[in-house]
Amino acid sequence: RKEVEQDPGPFNVPEGATVAFNCTYSNSASQSFFWYRQDCRKEPKLLMSVYSSGNEDGRFTAQLNRASQYISLLIRDSKLSDSATYLCVVILDTGRRALTFGSGTRLQVQP
Amino acid sequence: DTEVTQTPKHLVMGMTNKKSLKCEQHMGHRAMYWYKQKAKKPPELMFVYSYEKLSINESVPSRFSPECPNSSLLNLHLHALQPEDSALYLCASSPEGYSYEQYFGPGTRLTVT
Repeated sequence: RKEVEQDPGPFNVPEGATVAFNCTYSNSASQSFFWYRQDCRKEPKLLMSVYSSGNEDGRFTAQLNRASQYISLLIRDSKLSDSATYLCVVILDTGRRALTFGSGTRLQVQP
Repeated sequence: DTEVTQTPKHLVMGMTNKKSLKCEQHMGHRAMYWYKQKAKKPPELMFVYSYEKLSINESVPSRFSPECPNSSLLNLHLHALQPEDSALYLCASSPEGYSYEQYFGPGTRLTVT
């Protein structure tokens, strides 16, 4: 079993749609969770950290379910500029501070 | 300002060359990282420096040699690389303490011929 698993997609959605991505992680002791966005041939950029209580940043909502060991990202009112690969990232061992990436979910928003 | 800079942007080198990648951040972060990313794959951790000391080496071959001259700079020295080492090399930094968020530089795209 992979340490961080994501559906690779691609998710093809029309502009204005709502889309959700899920991610599962293997280590129940993990403490830190993030969503990063990566455009083609660019570096990953931090989209948002994910907190136990859930958090929202504009059109983006992230949630954490510790009991089921999954993280979700909801994007409302999709824009063409949201087209990218979304990486679920977990720090499996906070003592190491090393990010473990999921394989990424590709989103293509179409006009 | 969450900027991490990397030079060069692109590098082509032969298998007998020696070259270095450079990374710099001025955010006062005390942890710095090297990642390697192959096409269509997620980044993979190579090295972690914490307070200028190497804290993690993910069993990286010795032809990759990291160096942290000071808290703002991170180098990756390359020697006798193989074609399969061609990849995007990403540097990242993060503050110490309770924040584990990492900020990435734009990367160096390395081609070994």
